[in-house]
Amino acid sequence: DAGITQSPRHKVTETGTPVTLRCHQTENHRYMYWYRQDPGHGLRLIHYSYGVKDTDKGEVSDGYSVSRSKTEDFLLTLESATSSQTSVYFCAISWTSEGEQYFGPGTRLTVT
Amino acid sequence: KQEVTQIPAALSVPEGENLVLNCSFTDSAIYNLQWFRQDPGKGLTSLLLIQSSQREQTSGRLNASLDKSSGRSTLYIAASQPGDSATYLCAVRVNAGNNRKLIWGLGTSLAVNP
Repeated sequence: DAGITQSPRHKVTETGTPVTLRCHQTENHRYMYWYRQDPGHGLRLIHYSYGVKDTDKGEVSDGYSVSRSKTEDFLLTLESATSSQTSVYFCAISWTSEGEQYFGPGTRLTVT
Repeated sequence: KQEVTQIPAALSVPEGENLVLNCSFTDSAIYNLQWFRQDPGKGLTSLLLIQSSQREQTSGRLNASLDKSSGRSTLYIAASQPGDSATYLCAVRVNAGNNRKLIWGLGTSLAVNP
């Protein structure tokens, strides 16, 4: 496996609280992605980054923000968590935008 | 709009069988196609990536083919083993502004019975 870790691996939080998920890579890949996976929807792209401080929105970005201050770290923040954001969140990395993507182990987030 | 479909949604086979998983997509304008496996409660593992100019890729007991004109890819698993039990996902990569994004199927859940 590519060196990708996600933290925390599990989190339960209350509606309205801010939450930050962290993705850390040791592979020096340029591109990093945040996805969410929900039954019946497949994986959906939230945000991605194509370099330090360079980020862009995916298809389901409302309610989420990201930051990338270092090559190895990509943070996903839920400013005010809602129950609809209960999901499994995956981070992925790739060398190029068309290259093979490698995934982290996921974070299971429950918003009560 | 590109859509990716995987049929069947679930498959159960006895150990040792050769099997084929299907992936179809509606728009042939793809950059490449990637197959993944996902074990329960785990992340995704990349299996094979086929470029749009390629017809097939092989890795061990796995062989993936691509027919862009018909919008189809198949993943062939030879001599299946219980350890192959997982969900298999395919995703096509398409142009999206200054990025190339993956469009995902919902997966085929495979159970290989000893």
